[in-house]
Order: sequence, then structure tokens, then C-alpha cells
Amino acid sequence: DGGITQSPKYLFRKEGQNVTLSCEQNLNHDAMYWYRQDPGQGLRLIYYSQIVNDFQKGDIAEGYSVSREKKESFPLTVTSAQKNPTAFYLCASSDSPGSGANVLTFGAGSRLTVL
Amino acid sequence: GQNIDQPTEMTATEGAIVQINCTYQTSGFNGLFWYQQHAGEAPTFLSYNVLDGLEEKGRFSSFLSRSKGYSYLLLKELQMKDSASYLCAVTDSNYQLIWGAGTKLIIKP
Repeated sequence: DGGITQSPKYLFRKEGQNVTLSCEQNLNHDAMYWYRQDPGQGLRLIYYSQIVNDFQKGDIAEGYSVSREKKESFPLTVTSAQKNPTAFYLCASSDSPGSGANVLTFGAGSRLTVL
Repeated sequence: GQNIDQPTEMTATEGAIVQINCTYQTSGFNGLFWYQQHAGEAPTFLSYNVLDGLEEKGRFSSFLSRSKGYSYLLLKELQMKDSASYLCAVTDSNYQLIWGAGTKLIIKP
């Protein structure tokens, strides 16, 4: 079955450490996205990529980095520069970026907790 | 600024009908989405409206009024499995998605 796989599902990090969240899709979608979800807030866009080897900052990119070396993969690194990284991180993909009817398919999420 | 408002939480009874409202103020409009998200899980697509009117899909319907900047999601014959958060999102003039904070729906027997 086609879908998006995020790993790990739960991750604990000490302050000062970088961590990388994995996101893999087998939907053959061109576009991939990383969102952050905090209680009481809407999803906030961290980074997105519409094509291999290209990506753009979203609304809250500071303290995060990404790469898009393969169409299927879009890993997110949460660096030590991110001041408040404890959150639920969602990866998504779509095949219609730049259109109104851009339906996103989401992964199951990764919950990061900073100790 | 861009803003989407939804009630934070609603409670309804199994078998009943509930309407979840969403109002938006965005830079342009290219469509409105509803997603369902069970606790700790991925959001899943429910509906997309770009023209005014009602779209029905089984027990779920979604309504849009562009002139009023208003949408609602109507859930009929509520089941316990409908307990979830319902996210409203709008595509703006730059085709960026603006998300509401979500409405947590609690279904009671």
C-alpha cells in the first residue's frame, strides 16, 4: 500500500543535541512538507520541497534543516538552535502543489520531547 | 493578517448531528479543506470546497459561503469513532495552506 512512513514515532533529546526525523513516501508525489503541531495552534509549516534538490523555508524554519536528495525522502533535522523543539512533527506529501485542490497525505507523526 | 477560527471543543451525543463552524480571513481564496485527526495520529482528508454550496459525502457534509468567509462541517448519525479533532484549512492566493487550530469533538454515549 502507498503511504508515508515517519520514524521514529517517539524521540527524546537532550538539550544541545541535533536529531533527525525520517520521512519516506512511496506515493510518487513531487511535493513534500514538514509541519509542526502544538496544542491549541494550527499546523505550522517548517519547510517544503516541490522537486528533488530544491526546498523552501516555511513560516518557522529557524532552527531546522532539511534535504531532498531523493524524491521519496525528506528528512528533517531539529538543531540545537531550535529553542523550543518539543512538539509533534508531521510530514506530508502531495501531487498537486501550486493548485487550490492540493490534498495532503500525512505520515503518522513523530513526537519529539526535549529533556 | 490571515486567520482561521474554529471552536476549540464541542460535545455531542452518539446518533445525533453536529455542525462544526469555521470562519476565515485570508489573502485570497483558492479552496477550503476539512481534515479529521484522531489523537496522536495523522490528519486524514475529509472534504474540499471551492465553490459555494453544500458537498455531501456519506454521513459528512461540508458547506462553503465565500462571501461570508464561512464554512461548516456537518456530521450526521454520530458514532463513537467520530471522536477526533477536525481541522479547517484554507488555500490562500499564493496557494499556501493556512490552518485553524482544530475543533476537538467529544462524542458521548
